[in-house]
Amino acid sequence: DGGITQSPKYLFRKEGQNVTLSCEQNLNHDAMYWYRQDPGQGLRLIYYSQIVNDFQKGDIAEGYSVSREKKESFPLTVTSAQKNPTAFYLCASSTEGKGYGYTFGSGTRLTVV
Amino acid sequence: GENVEQHPSTLSVQEGDSAVIKCTYSDSASNYFPWYKQELGKGPQLIIDIRSNVGEKKDQRIAVTLNKTAKHFSLHITETQPEDSAVYFCAASTGNQFYFGTGTSLTVIP
Repeated sequence: DGGITQSPKYLFRKEGQNVTLSCEQNLNHDAMYWYRQDPGQGLRLIYYSQIVNDFQKGDIAEGYSVSREKKESFPLTVTSAQKNPTAFYLCASSTEGKGYGYTFGSGTRLTVV
Repeated sequence: GENVEQHPSTLSVQEGDSAVIKCTYSDSASNYFPWYKQELGKGPQLIIDIRSNVGEKKDQRIAVTLNKTAKHFSLHITETQPEDSAVYFCAASTGNQFYFGTGTSLTVIP
């Protein structure tokens, strides 16, 4: 079955730690995206990548970093510079240049302890 | 950039009644309008979509209407059931990026 796999489902971070959220897709989609979702709010774009080895900042990129070394993978690192990282993180992919047919992963819930 | 507004933020209906959620967008270049359903703790799932060359699309109990002139589109759910309870997001796309509404929490009361 084609789809997007996010891991882990739950993640706990200590103050001052960097953590990396995994996102893997086998849909052969060119574009991949990271969104942050806070309670009662919509989806806010963190970073997106339309091709391998290239990515762009979204609306709330500060405190986050990404890489796109492989078409299938788009990991997100939440750095210690992100002061309020507790949220639900969603990865998505779509066919590049068309902006159609977003497919979402099942999300990672990150909590600072 | 595009600005998508969604109303209402919360909606409660009795089982069997209809539910309507409305969205407006600002960029006339937007040409694709999907709706997503998100259940608690899960990622959003596409439930229906419409392109700008179509005014209405229906899939069983779900329908979407689009008014390009007024730049608004709506989701209609008929004969609601408890399993329809979820958060619904609208989105607008110009072809390169999605812009999401802030979501509507729908509760269907048995």
